[in-house]
Amino acid sequence: RKEVEQDPGPFNVPEGATVAFNCTYSNSASQSFFWYRQDCRKEPKLLMSVYSSGNEDGRFTAQLNRASQYISLLIRDSKLSDSATYLCVVNKGRDDKIIFGKGTRLHILP
Amino acid sequence: DVKVTQSSRYLVKRTGEKVFLECVQDMDHENMFWYRQDPGLGLRLIYFSYDVKMKEKGDIPEGYSVSREKKERFSLILESASTNQTSMYLCASSLSALGETQYFGPGTRLLVL
Repeated sequence: RKEVEQDPGPFNVPEGATVAFNCTYSNSASQSFFWYRQDCRKEPKLLMSVYSSGNEDGRFTAQLNRASQYISLLIRDSKLSDSATYLCVVNKGRDDKIIFGKGTRLHILP
Repeated sequence: DVKVTQSSRYLVKRTGEKVFLECVQDMDHENMFWYRQDPGLGLRLIYFSYDVKMKEKGDIPEGYSVSREKKERFSLILESASTNQTSMYLCASSLSALGETQYFGPGTRLLVL
């Protein structure tokens, strides 16, 4: 099993729809979980951290499922500006550095 | 706001040249990282540093070296550039623990001819 695995997409979604991505990780000792966003030809930027209890930031909701070792990102009422690549980020193990998934490409269609 | 800057946005070099990529962060972060990003391969860690003068190999250190003489500055060196080192190079920093959020610079697109 790969350390961090994501569906590469692309997900082509009409504006206003809801879209969800999952990401699986292999190390049960992982403690830190994030979603990053990367626009075309730009650097990755933190979208949100993922907490055990789940967290929400406006239209974005992140969830952690430790039993099945995956995290998810839900985007509601999608906007054209949400078009980007979304990177799943997990630390390798307790007190270890983070590793990046290869990303899921999202295209929001007008 | 954390600011991470990289010395060049675009760079063109010839095979065999020595190449220096500079990265500076202004938030007193302990950890600094160098990645390369290629289509289909994602972000791959080259080297990282958790303190001044300390360095650790990442997943793909071959053909690269690094230097961290000051806390705010982390340099990536290509001793003898090769065409397979054509890539986007991204520098990042994080505050203290290795598992914390990383903040990225804008990247350097390097073309080796």
